[in-house]
Amino acid sequence: GAVVSQHPSRVICKSGTSVKIECRSLDFQATTMFWYRQFPKQSLMLMATSNEGSKATYEQGVEKDKFLINHASLTLSTLTVTSAHPEDSSFYICSASTSGGSTGELFFGEGSRLTVL
Amino acid sequence: AQSVTQLGSHVSVSEGALVLLRCNYSSSVPPYLFWYVQYPNQGLQLLLKYTSAATLVKGINGFEAEFKKSETSFHLTKPSAHMSDAAEYFCAVTIPQTSGYALNFGKGTSLLVTP
Repeated sequence: GAVVSQHPSRVICKSGTSVKIECRSLDFQATTMFWYRQFPKQSLMLMATSNEGSKATYEQGVEKDKFLINHASLTLSTLTVTSAHPEDSSFYICSASTSGGSTGELFFGEGSRLTVL
Repeated sequence: AQSVTQLGSHVSVSEGALVLLRCNYSSSVPPYLFWYVQYPNQGLQLLLKYTSAATLVKGINGFEAEFKKSETSFHLTKPSAHMSDAAEYFCAVTIPQTSGYALNFGKGTSLLVTP
């Protein structure tokens, strides 16, 4: 099946720094990618939807200036957590769709665990 | 907006026993429904999905789920639990015509399998 790869899988940073997480579709072109956030022992919450070549659509309550999403190509989307703080520590998971419509398939990355000290 | 509710945050079964994880959905239009499994510190693995075709859906690892419109349910079952089935299970819903594949997840059910 199709593979979605996230990098890094784990990252530890100091408070105030910025961290970039990459999400790559390895063997297919992803017209749409989704970013989720998962707190410990909790469910996944959709943060934003990004379509290649256009601005991401953020869910209500998600700070777009803090969580910068770029989907510059059909195989790569990046999430940058700017000026990270301890409360941003979380498990971030991306998913990629081969199509924005109902005929597409959806694949998840392995997740990236961010710890902000 | 569409949503799912998973009944029971923790379910414990004996090895070899029936697994039943409950999921009810809320949607004004026919939804797509999914079950995912997550092992510690890992991403999500798709178990099965309902996309308006057959109401009884068979997935990987012996799991299956039945879409029941009258009950607005999509419960996950497996006839005989294995120790390796212990994990977190998430039910999810989307309306492709409006949301693409942006999924709304349930809160998850932690499955414990005892010897």
